This record gives sequence, structure tokens and C-alpha cells, in this order.
Amino acid sequence: EAEVAQSPRYKITEKSQAVAFWCDPISGHATLYWYRQILGQGPELLVQFQDESVVDDSQLPKDRFSAERLKGVDSTLKIQPAELGDSAMYLCASSLGPPGETQYFGPGTRLLVL
Amino acid sequence: GENVEQHPSTLSVQEGDSAVIKCTYSDSASNYFPWYKQELGKRPQLIIDIRSNVGEKKDQRIAVTLNKTAKHFSLHITETQPEDSAVYFCAAKGRGSTLGRLYFGRGTQLTVWP
Repeated sequence: EAEVAQSPRYKITEKSQAVAFWCDPISGHATLYWYRQILGQGPELLVQFQDESVVDDSQLPKDRFSAERLKGVDSTLKIQPAELGDSAMYLCASSLGPPGETQYFGPGTRLLVL
Repeated sequence: GENVEQHPSTLSVQEGDSAVIKCTYSDSASNYFPWYKQELGKRPQLIIDIRSNVGEKKDQRIAVTLNKTAKHFSLHITETQPEDSAVYFCAAKGRGSTLGRLYFGRGTQLTVWP
């Protein structure tokens, strides 16, 4: 069964450093989502791609976060500089067709900023 | 945007008993309501979902009910087993302009005691 892949699974960094996370969605899935999940809370959407285009980045802190999906397949989320409050789980999800289809999540990247 | 409230935050039941988790949402235009199960350290997995054109959906021991008038939906697990222990998240799909964005509740930690 195809799954969403993410790497790394864990990342420890010091504040002010740059970090990057990678996501490979299920093959053929046009829509890709990046979520942030703070411990004890539900996932919150950071950015949503339809193919290579950003369709929703209203909750993305654009002064330090950036995301790209250049060829409409895999995606990278970057934080520069990282802050203590960025410590969280970063989840990637994908869905097959138009928004609203079932979203399948990756295993996440747990980030700890020291 | 949409606001999803989930209760209770923790739930403990004896094996074989039923468990009910409730969610309310604020946007009457929301039309898709998935439930995810997240075991410790693992990815959220879709367990059941319901669309606004139906009032109830069942899949073996799991059922979801939707009351559009009251804007609430519930997850029902019957004959609970220890392997049902996990965090359960409800979600609601935002309306039109948010293009399929899911708004999640804060989660319910379900513990099933043998």
C-alpha cells in the first residue's frame, strides 16, 4: 500500500539555525498539505499545494517559513531561522484529486529547537 | 474560518464498553467530516468519514453520526478493545475559498483498560 514519505523523522537544531523537511506524497496525488501539530493539539494547516501551485498559505509564517513543490511531486518545507516555539511535529499529507478528498498523512518530522 | 471543538479531552473505558467522542463545528457550509486515529509516535490514520448528505455511517465497530442542524458530529466505538487506545481527532472541511482545508479538533486520548 502506497504511503506518504517524510524525512527526516527527527530533527534537533539550535535556534537561529535553518532546517528543512522533505515530503514525497502518494504517487499521482495532486494536492499536498503541510501541517504543524503542537503536542496535545490537532494538526493545523501551514500550506496547501495543488500540483506546483500554492493555493493556501494563509497560516504560514512567511517571515521564516517557506515551502516549495517545484515539479508538482515532492515538496520541501524550510524554516529559517528556527525559533524555540517552532518545536512541534510537522506532518505532510496528500490527496488524490480536488481539495476535499481523503487526506493521507505521512509519519511526520518531530522538530526540537534548543 | 471554521472552529472545531472536541470533547472529552480524555476518555477511559473498560474493554467491551462503548466510547463516544463529540465534536461541534461553527461553519454551517462545512460538508465533510473525517475522523483520524493517531497512535503514539505514528501518523494520523483515517478511520471513518461522513459527508453532509448523510446522517450516519457505520463500519464494523465504528460509527459516526452527523446533526447538521445542531452542527455536531460524534464518533461511536462499540465493544472497545485495548488496541483502540489512541488519540482520536475529528475534523471539518472548510468552505469554498479554503479549498478543502481541514480544521481539526484538539483530540481525545482514549484509553481502553483490559
